[in-house]
Amino acid sequence: SAVISQKPSRDICQRGTSLTIQCQVDSQVTMMFWYRQQPGQSLTLIATANQGSEATYESGFVIDKFPISRPNLTFSTLTVSNMSPEDSSIYLCSGDTGGTDTQYFGPGTRLTVL
Amino acid sequence: GIQVEQSPPDLILQEGANSTLRCNFSDSVNNLQWFHQNPWGQLINLFYIPSGTKQNGRLSATTVATERYSLLYISSSQTTDSGVYFCAGPPQGGSEKLVFGKGTKLTVNP
Repeated sequence: SAVISQKPSRDICQRGTSLTIQCQVDSQVTMMFWYRQQPGQSLTLIATANQGSEATYESGFVIDKFPISRPNLTFSTLTVSNMSPEDSSIYLCSGDTGGTDTQYFGPGTRLTVL
Repeated sequence: GIQVEQSPPDLILQEGANSTLRCNFSDSVNNLQWFHQNPWGQLINLFYIPSGTKQNGRLSATTVATERYSLLYISSSQTTDSGVYFCAGPPQGGSEKLVFGKGTKLTVNP
């Protein structure tokens, strides 16, 4: 299994600012993903974080708004840029260790934008 | 891409009761997973179950891949089982990313 941590756990931000969320995995994972969970909703995939190259974004999400880095196999960051109240959500990172493809999730970052 | 539908959307139980949650998917999947999100938001992987049956304590899951559905059984429910249960599968074969259903919100009352 994999243990995934995220920082910060929560934040309250002003409109127009940016926030970078960090995701650390305790073991090497083959794939890392970033999801958004809007209040009362299910999870929606934002992008796949690729090691050493540009992330692969899902429809409706763009790099200018959600730049992602993954400099090595155990660490990734997601930045939420030029925030608006509509960006208030829980942001979760996940990873799988290959083999069984079981996916493990971090505890999430609860973001409120005023 | 795959569509994942869960039922029921909400479920209220008395402690000790049993329940069955259902997940239907629109296409064949080789990576069906069940998750529990507790009231604090933490998402826990319960089962990786592309086919067959697995059991873990009071929880068990069965996936019938040929009929495109999966069931999660909770026996002798406890208040700590409360939360939202999600099933998820890949949008297309061979993909490791997941498409989530809308979830079943379970409330277990003492």
